[in-house]
Amino acid sequence: RKEVEQDPGPFNVPEGATVAFNCTYSNSASQSFFWYRQDCRKEPKLLMSVYSSGNEDGRFTAQLNRASQYISLLIRDSKLSDSATYLCVVKRSFQKLVFGTGTRLLVSP
Amino acid sequence: EPEVTQTPSHQVTQMGQEVILRCVPISNHLYFYWYRQILGQKVEFLVSFYNNEISEKSEIFDDQFSVERPDGSNFTLKIRSTKLEDSAMYFCASSSTSGLSSYNEQFFGPGTRLTVL
Repeated sequence: RKEVEQDPGPFNVPEGATVAFNCTYSNSASQSFFWYRQDCRKEPKLLMSVYSSGNEDGRFTAQLNRASQYISLLIRDSKLSDSATYLCVVKRSFQKLVFGTGTRLLVSP
Repeated sequence: EPEVTQTPSHQVTQMGQEVILRCVPISNHLYFYWYRQILGQKVEFLVSFYNNEISEKSEIFDDQFSVERPDGSNFTLKIRSTKLEDSAMYFCASSSTSGLSSYNEQFFGPGTRLTVL
């Protein structure tokens, strides 16, 4: 079983739509959780950390359910510039990041 | 805004040759990492480095790999005898030591694309 699992997509949505991505992780010892964004052939960039209480950053909302080992990302009012691959990432040890394979989002006009 | 830089952006080498990938982490960071991403696959952790020694490594990071911080600014990844399957994008990352927060952000460089022929 993969340590971090995501639906690879692609998710094709029109501008203005709301889209949600889900992720599950297998190791209950995972300590911290993130969503990264990766544009084609570029480096991963931190989109937001995911806290147990849930957190919001503008149009982006992240939720964590430790009991179900489930992480979600909601994007409201999608923009063309949101087109990218969204990487679910967990940190198991103090330093090592474990990446999912990513969910590809395509926002069309 | 401070950023991690990597050179070269693209390295082409023959199988069996040694390559050195270079990184300049963000200046006040003390934790350094290498990750790799084979085309079409996920980003994979290779190694972390702190206080001039490896603090953690993955099973991918075998004897053909080594890391070094030869001076106060550079952080290098050496692959001694490259194989075809080493072809990938190699990302360097760094993080600060502001406390022991597990939410310490790792900042990634733009990557070096390694092609082994």
